[in-house]
Amino acid sequence: QKEVEQNSGPLSVPEGAIASLNCTYSDRGSQSFFWYRQYSGKSPELIMSIYSNGDKEDGRFTAQLNKASQYVSLLIRDSQPSDSATYLCAVNRAGNQFYFGTGTSLTVIP
Amino acid sequence: GAVVSQHPSRVICKSGTSVKIECRSLDFQATTMFWYRQFPKQSLMLMATSNEGSKATYEQGVEKDKFLINHASLTLSTLTVTSAHPEDSSFYICSARDGRRSSYNEQFFGPGTRLTVL
Repeated sequence: QKEVEQNSGPLSVPEGAIASLNCTYSDRGSQSFFWYRQYSGKSPELIMSIYSNGDKEDGRFTAQLNKASQYVSLLIRDSQPSDSATYLCAVNRAGNQFYFGTGTSLTVIP
Repeated sequence: GAVVSQHPSRVICKSGTSVKIECRSLDFQATTMFWYRQFPKQSLMLMATSNEGSKATYEQGVEKDKFLINHASLTLSTLTVTSAHPEDSSFYICSARDGRRSSYNEQFFGPGTRLTVL
């Protein structure tokens, strides 16, 4: 079983819609959870971090964490073509133990 | 804040030569730096983790004598690809975190270095 699992996609949504990206993790002891965005040919960019159960909103982005279900998601409201990228879910178990998912490719169709 | 730079951004070298890549945290102290490699359309692959002032910890399958990592200060880590071969051509990305700040646990990535070995 992989530490972090994501649906590779591709996920396509029309411009203005809500994009929903999902991630599950295997270790219940995981403490910190992150979403990174990676454009083709570029390095990952941190867009959200979440540490406790519930929702965390930042602009058009909302991260949701459910530790009981070992599930973390990212919602992108009012999706724009510029949101088209690969989204990486990352989990920190403790200290330097980070695990990345393989990423979900999102395409926002104008 | 939390800016990480890498140099060079792109390098082309001949087979058999060595290439050094620098990773710097510009506005925070990085107790830990990570080195990743990414092939086209593939996911990030962690190569090694280095803590300031100590030897790097390499992931399984990564040759420590080929990929030399030095993390001599809280703002600088270097990766040297020794005797590079065409199969080492890849996108090398570093990231950094300040492990002393328990409420600030993120890794911040540098812009990456694209290595092409001819």
